[in-house]
Amino acid sequence: AQKITQTQPGMFVQEKEAVTLDCTYDTSDPSYGLFWYKQPSSGEMIFLIYQGSYDQQNATEGRYSLNFQKARKSANLVISASQLGDSAMYFCAMGSSGGSYIPTFGRGTSLIVHP
Amino acid sequence: DAGVTQSPTHLIKTRGQQVTLRCSPKSGHDTVSWYQQALGQGPQFIFQYYEEEERQRGNFPDRFSGHQFPNYSSELNVNALLLGDSALYLCASSSRGLNEQFFGPGTRLTVL
Repeated sequence: AQKITQTQPGMFVQEKEAVTLDCTYDTSDPSYGLFWYKQPSSGEMIFLIYQGSYDQQNATEGRYSLNFQKARKSANLVISASQLGDSAMYFCAMGSSGGSYIPTFGRGTSLIVHP
Repeated sequence: DAGVTQSPTHLIKTRGQQVTLRCSPKSGHDTVSWYQQALGQGPQFIFQYYEEEERQRGNFPDRFSGHQFPNYSSELNVNALLLGDSALYLCASSSRGLNEQFFGPGTRLTVL
């Protein structure tokens, strides 16, 4: 079984500052992938970034980077230079080889960016 | 290039009724997955279709069924609706063998 835990129900950040959203996971599969999605109030899930369990380097996509610490089973999302449009729900998800890579989602973190 | 589309955007039904939701995948994608997202929760996997067959299924009762058509579009059917079925239903498409899924805007179902 796989499990994703997001312990921060809500986060606040000042515009242009960096913010870290926490995510821990649990799986017994050696091969897995970690995803982060953004969900604005419109409802659509927007893919942000992906990290494979065998990737040696942390994934980066523009202002998004994934701080992957395999031994700690954590996959935190770092958003640099926050923008007002970053205000949304953020979901961490994991898919593993044992589950045919069907993602299991966490409960999400609400991020509010203040001007 | 059109992304994933879903219809309708909103739907109101009463208990006991049946509902059909529709999804068209992103161009070039052959796999469709359906998720249920209750208020304040993350999406929960319902099932996945590939080559017109259900390939994976989450922990949902048989009242939830689906179909995939030769053009890869898909339907989600829910019978004997319960109040607890009220949720945002998300469709996601992907290419077989690739992990990244693209989501549609969802259908918000309200059961009264």
